Amino acid sequence: NAGVTQTPKFQVLKTGQSMTLQCAQDMNHEYMSWYRQDPGMGLRLIHYSVGAGITDQGEVPNGYNVSRSTTEDFPLRLLSAAPSQTSVYFCASSQNRLGGELFFGEGSRLTVL
Amino acid sequence: GENVEQHPSTLSVQEGDSAVIKCTYSDSASNYFPWYKQELGKRPQLIIDIRSNVGEKKDQRIAVTLNKTAKHFSLHITETQPEDSAVYFCAASDAGGADGLTFGKGTHLIIQP
Repeated sequence: NAGVTQTPKFQVLKTGQSMTLQCAQDMNHEYMSWYRQDPGMGLRLIHYSVGAGITDQGEVPNGYNVSRSTTEDFPLRLLSAAPSQTSVYFCASSQNRLGGELFFGEGSRLTVL
Repeated sequence: GENVEQHPSTLSVQEGDSAVIKCTYSDSASNYFPWYKQELGKRPQLIIDIRSNVGEKKDQRIAVTLNKTAKHFSLHITETQPEDSAVYFCAASDAGGADGLTFGKGTHLIIQP
């Protein structure tokens, strides 16, 4: 049982480039989310989804897009990368809308030059 | 939206002593309060959580207390051990976590031998 899988683990981009961070879970969880982690800032919610076809914005959604076409996958797209998006990104899932434990992926470290 | 304040940002204790980390929240509708532990370079993992209908919860050496009137909750670790060294995050949510947790900025706990 792989849990939550994120790819890539490391990525370097130039300003203005676009890319997609992939996230997949094999636990049949309804709820998935993306957080970014910056030094001294904790974890901040970017976008979340409570089921296939349903997404919503979190605290810091600007510059990011998401979609949820299947229960398993929740990709995060950076439309035009900026240095301010240099961060560690975590995908997380939980069983259902009533929450409980969030299961995190291993993280993706993104550097924008 | 919810705002979670966490103190202290760094806590150094002698091995075997107790450690206490405190958090306050702003939204009186919040009813779910988890604590996550993140070891260096790893993903956050849930260590304990509490819901608003409970004032205290204990799991071996760790305990969480909640004061809804004062809007604060605390993590207590007794008989600290070297493996307790990590960053600890508190969080709050009004939907069991499913609409996204708001995290504190984290406490770096250092266990001195």
